[in-house]
Amino acid sequence: DTAVSQTPKYLVTQMGNDKSIKCEQNLGHDTMYWYKQDSKKFLKIMFSYNNKELIINETVPNRFSPKSPDKAHLNLHINSLELGDSAVYFCASSPTSGRGNEQFFGPGTRLTVL
Amino acid sequence: KNEVEQSPQNLTAQEGEFITINCSYSVGISALHWLQQHPGGGIVSLFMLSSGKKKHGRLIATINIQEKHSSLHITASHPRDSAVYICAATGNQFYFGTGTSLTVIP
Repeated sequence: DTAVSQTPKYLVTQMGNDKSIKCEQNLGHDTMYWYKQDSKKFLKIMFSYNNKELIINETVPNRFSPKSPDKAHLNLHINSLELGDSAVYFCASSPTSGRGNEQFFGPGTRLTVL
Repeated sequence: KNEVEQSPQNLTAQEGEFITINCSYSVGISALHWLQQHPGGGIVSLFMLSSGKKKHGRLIATINIQEKHSSLHITASHPRDSAVYICAATGNQFYFGTGTSLTVIP
């Protein structure tokens, strides 16, 4: 059984479109995260949710909006996609919001904006 | 300057060699994570430590809080250890190193 799953795995779209990436975890964790990994393989946190509430919102354009319908899901919606949004997006979860907790990562979604 | 620096950036080793990857950080942290990213892209958490030393199989991670330094050691390296190893420091914020690309040659 997949602990943290993301869909889709690959997403190719045109500039200006709106797209969503879904994330689900079946670990019973309270905290979920979204990370962006750029072409240079540098990881950066974007958002963190604890029990459906936003607790971390790093400096990301407001075109990116996370949505957490319940604590097992954290979806990422991106409006007006730009070329620079092309990256791999990873979802992760951890038991609590303490930053000293082990995180479990999803397989990643490779977004390509043309 | 990045808050988390890793060295070396790239490392090639012969199978069986002892490998050390270093991580230095300049911020206050609550924990230090070592992540492994396989060539296929998947990320696995190897260790999360806030003091001392942890060991899982052939992997050992140490941290020196006073010196703000952590090391990841791999004993008896194997080609399947080939991956990118990422150090991440978590405190008030999350800080990631740029990764160390390890290739173990049979």
